[in-house]
Amino acid sequence: AQKITQTQPGMFVQEKEAVTLDCTYDTSDPSYGLFWYKQPSSGEMIFLIYQGSYDQQNATEGRYSLNFQKARKSANLVISASQLGDSAMYFCAMGRYSTLTFGKGTMLLVSP
Amino acid sequence: EAGVVQSPRYKIIEKKQPVAFWCNPISGHNTLYWYRQNLGQGPELLIRYENEEAVDDSQLPKDRFSAERLKGVDSTLKIQPAELGDSAVYLCASTADPRYGYTFGSGTRLTVV
Repeated sequence: AQKITQTQPGMFVQEKEAVTLDCTYDTSDPSYGLFWYKQPSSGEMIFLIYQGSYDQQNATEGRYSLNFQKARKSANLVISASQLGDSAMYFCAMGRYSTLTFGKGTMLLVSP
Repeated sequence: EAGVVQSPRYKIIEKKQPVAFWCNPISGHNTLYWYRQNLGQGPELLIRYENEEAVDDSQLPKDRFSAERLKGVDSTLKIQPAELGDSAVYLCASTADPRYGYTFGSGTRLTVV
């Protein structure tokens, strides 16, 4: 079975600062993918970034990067230069290229 | 390119009544998912389709929930009869390659009273 743990119910950050959202996972599969999604108050789930378990380099997408530490089974999301529009729920998810299992999410609030 | 389209956006029904949700995935996306998201939680899979075949419905409460994806395009999720605990957001998603993430619809917020 796969399990995703997000231990931070909420995080606060000031605009323009960097923030790290934690995610740990557990799986017995040797091959898997790790994902982060953003869910604004409007409700839609927005795909942010993907990391494959065999990828040697950490994934980056603009201001988003995924700090992948395979031995620790962690896949933290780093948002650089936070913007007010980054305020949302953030979900970590993992899957073996088929069905995703999601964590409970972290609410990020960005203040001016 | 149109995204994943879901309707209705909101639905309020009395318990024991039936309800249906509709999803039209992105054209060319063979894989379609229905997820349920309870308040304050992450989405949980209900069913996954590969074209018209339901390949993972292990989490679907089959006594009251049913789904279909005729012709491998749009899909309908039905609840009959609805219970108070079914109040949640029902999300549809589709993908051509799961490695690059899913595209989710805006969801249907169901309230059972």
